[in-house]
Parts: sequence; structure tokens; C-alpha cells
Amino acid sequence: EIVLTQSPGTLSLSPGERATLSCRPSQSVRSSYLAWYQQKPGQAPRLLIYGASSRATGIPDRFSGSGSGTDFTLTISRLEPEDFAVYYCQQYGSSPPITFGQGTRLEIK
Amino acid sequence: QVQLVESGGGVVQPGRSLRLSCAASGFTFSTHALHWVRQAPGKGLEWLTVISADGTFKSYADSVKGRITISRDNSKNTLFLQLDTLKPEDTAVYYCARQLRFAEWFQDYWGQGTLVAVSS
Repeated sequence: EIVLTQSPGTLSLSPGERATLSCRPSQSVRSSYLAWYQQKPGQAPRLLIYGASSRATGIPDRFSGSGSGTDFTLTISRLEPEDFAVYYCQQYGSSPPITFGQGTRLEIK
Repeated sequence: QVQLVESGGGVVQPGRSLRLSCAASGFTFSTHALHWVRQAPGKGLEWLTVISADGTFKSYADSVKGRITISRDNSKNTLFLQLDTLKPEDTAVYYCARQLRFAEWFQDYWGQGTLVAVSS
């Protein structure tokens, strides 16, 4: 099973700043089968990025994903107030099992 | 629009069973694989299981294998999750989620979840 390690655990930033979130798989993720989700309190996760860098439908272009192998990044170019939430990466390989990282909490500084 | 609505959660005693349902609408149900993911209170997301569009392929996380069963009824646009021999550590919000594409195992739409609390 591939273990995903997200860092930092908590990121404190102000609106307008740039956020950089890291996800490091314990082994190479084939074909960049990595996704990012946003979750706000009391809500279901929301797909942001799949295939490491493809934005899901309706996701603003301030969200971008990059990386390959064992090093992936989610970048939010200019934070809006609604972006403060918990972010999870997920690897989905070429077949199950699917695993999630432990999450990064993005909080207002 | 795509909607997934879970039901069937509640308080259940350890060792008992529970069957969750997920009613789908707004898309062609029989052409999408579907997943269950859970989240314990204050914790992260844990993938549990997936079923293919036609129901012939199923996969389970090792942590729950043997205690859960996924199934679907394409005639009723409904997904199910049977939870057996429940333990306190199964307490969580259970989400159903749609897989966007064949053989790409991420989820593009999620329900709002149903809470299962295992307690005596």
C-alpha cells in the first residue's frame, strides 16, 4: 500500500498570499494518478485536481497541481477567504487500493 | 445535476450489522463505478471499497475486508454498503462517491454522508 505524507500539517497564511502544499508518496505513483480534494467543516470533500495537474470542472484557475513520481504539490496562487479548509491528496494508481494523505489544514493567519 | 444521498446511518451496538444506501440521480448510474469512503470524527479520509459500473468488479481495503460488502442495483440507481460485526472504531461519517472515468479511480462527486455511531 502506498502511504502519502502531506506537509505541513497546518499552514497559516493570509488572504492574498500564495499557498504551497506538499504530498509525498512512499513509492512512485504511476502515470501521475494523484488527486487533491478540499474539505470544509461539515461538508463532503470536493475534487480539485486529478491526474496531478488537471483541474476538475468549475475549479478556479488559482488552484494548480504539479509533480510526478514521489513529489506532488498543490498551489493556490492567491488565497481567497473561502479557500481556508483542509486539503487531502489521494493516490489512485492503476487499480485499488486507494489511499489518502493525512491532510493539511490551511488556516487564516 | 449529480446528486448522491446516503441513508441508513444511526447508532448501533457493537457486533451488530447495518446496511447503508446511496440514492443517485442526475447522471447515468449504470455507467459509473462507485466508492464508499469514511471519515472518523476529527480524522482524515479512509477509502473502503469500490464497485464497477456493472457490479462485476469489487475491491476492498484490507482494514475492512471480510466485514463489509458493496453492491448496487442499477435498476433503482442505488448503491449499498453492508457493514457487519461493527466495532466502535467503525464510528464515522460514510460517504458514497462517483468515479468519473473508467479505470481512473478518483471520485468527482460525493454525497453529504451518513453518520454511523457504534456504541453500547
